[in-house]
Amino acid sequence: GESVGLHLPTLSVQEGDNSIINCAYSNSASDYFIWYKQESGKGPQFIIDIRSNMDKRQGQRVTVLLNKTVKHLSLQIAATQPGDSAVYFCAETPGGYQKVTFGIGTKLQVIP
Amino acid sequence: EAQVTQNPRYLITVTGKKLTVTCSQNMNHEYMSWYRQDPGLGLRQIYYSMNVEVTDKGDVPEGYKVSRKEKRNFPLILESPSPNQTSLYFCASSLYSPGTGNTGELFFGEGSRLTVL
Repeated sequence: GESVGLHLPTLSVQEGDNSIINCAYSNSASDYFIWYKQESGKGPQFIIDIRSNMDKRQGQRVTVLLNKTVKHLSLQIAATQPGDSAVYFCAETPGGYQKVTFGIGTKLQVIP
Repeated sequence: EAQVTQNPRYLITVTGKKLTVTCSQNMNHEYMSWYRQDPGLGLRQIYYSMNVEVTDKGDVPEGYKVSRKEKRNFPLILESPSPNQTSLYFCASSLYSPGTGNTGELFFGEGSRLTVL
């Protein structure tokens, strides 16, 4: 719900502009990464994933970039729309393990 | 419709009164997991299960129990709830176990908001 969005880094973007949400992951052994979107009052939903043997992957209006050297992940949303307003989480999984670790999230606010 | 169903969605209880949050998925997924979500802390994994009768601790398992007697169900049990377990809980499932080389996209339930007084 709304309480999830408190205390989070917030990115405010004008409708129609591109958004870039960043994530620093912690485990150099992680080899699978996912971005999730969480709308108010709902559970997280899968957006896009990427494996460590790639540095870029594109979906519909979204692109994920992976920089393993600095352990950095980013989500780019093209032509941001009001429906993109949500909290976005990155998640990492170390190879061979079943534990999934989530970042604290970034709240995206789209200004009409 | 493919979904993960949690119950109850909202619950207010008192310290020490045992409670169970149920989770059921209809996608024949092998992997299931419980998370709690707290402001400023993101989603933290409580327990996960790779298959029937196989469960393991996540990052914050203290005060919780789980069971996986059937593939579709993965209940979360709080034997003696305390106020620090007040949180928003999510159950999730995946066709494959993350880290196995296959897609580990998690499908989440709608969440269960628990308040322990």
